[in-house]
Amino acid sequence: ETGVTQTPRHLVMGMTNKKSLKCEQHLGHNAMYWYKQSAKKPLELMFVYSLEERVENNSVPSRFSPECPNSSHLFLHLHTLQPEDSALYLCASSQDGAGGREKLFFGSGTQLSVL
Amino acid sequence: RKEVEQDPGPFNVPEGATVAFNCTYSNSASQSFFWYRQDCRKEPKLLMSVYSSGNEDGRFTAQLNRASQYISLLIRDSKLSDSATYLCVVNVGPNSGYALNFGKGTSLLVTP
Repeated sequence: ETGVTQTPRHLVMGMTNKKSLKCEQHLGHNAMYWYKQSAKKPLELMFVYSLEERVENNSVPSRFSPECPNSSHLFLHLHTLQPEDSALYLCASSQDGAGGREKLFFGSGTQLSVL
Repeated sequence: RKEVEQDPGPFNVPEGATVAFNCTYSNSASQSFFWYRQDCRKEPKLLMSVYSSGNEDGRFTAQLNRASQYISLLIRDSKLSDSATYLCVVNVGPNSGYALNFGKGTSLLVTP
């Protein structure tokens, strides 16, 4: 079983839809992340949870709503998205603490298209 | 000025060649440096950390030059399977929390 699993792999949604992305990590890590990867742009950090508490929220629009029910699961709830939100959304986990935060383990991502 | 800059490439090299990528960073307070590899339509994966003294992992060698604020990745005896995008990653600095600066990546294509 892979360390970090994300579903769905692909998602097409209209601007009025509501959908959720799911992430599960099997590595025993205590920090989980959502990143956005757009074409020709570097990865952008969206949200970080450490021990199920949100510790960073990088000025992400409220149409993206994260949820972390426990240290192994992370969701990203999407509603009324815009076409410019089309991107690859990557979940990652790491072991919190010195030297651990930068060693990220990514899921395979959800390729999102907003029509 | 971008936080982390990389030549996007693509670098097209024949099998067996040696290829090197550089990456420059703007924040002199940065303390941790990494190379990640991302295959086409896949997730990034940690390739190696970059230490002040330089480090080697098989065919891969990473170097850090703090004075000039750049890191490098050298790949010897390139394999077809080395074809990927290589992402330079730098932490923002002390007390930076969880923030990391990612480069846009350098694309490598190894040809037969």
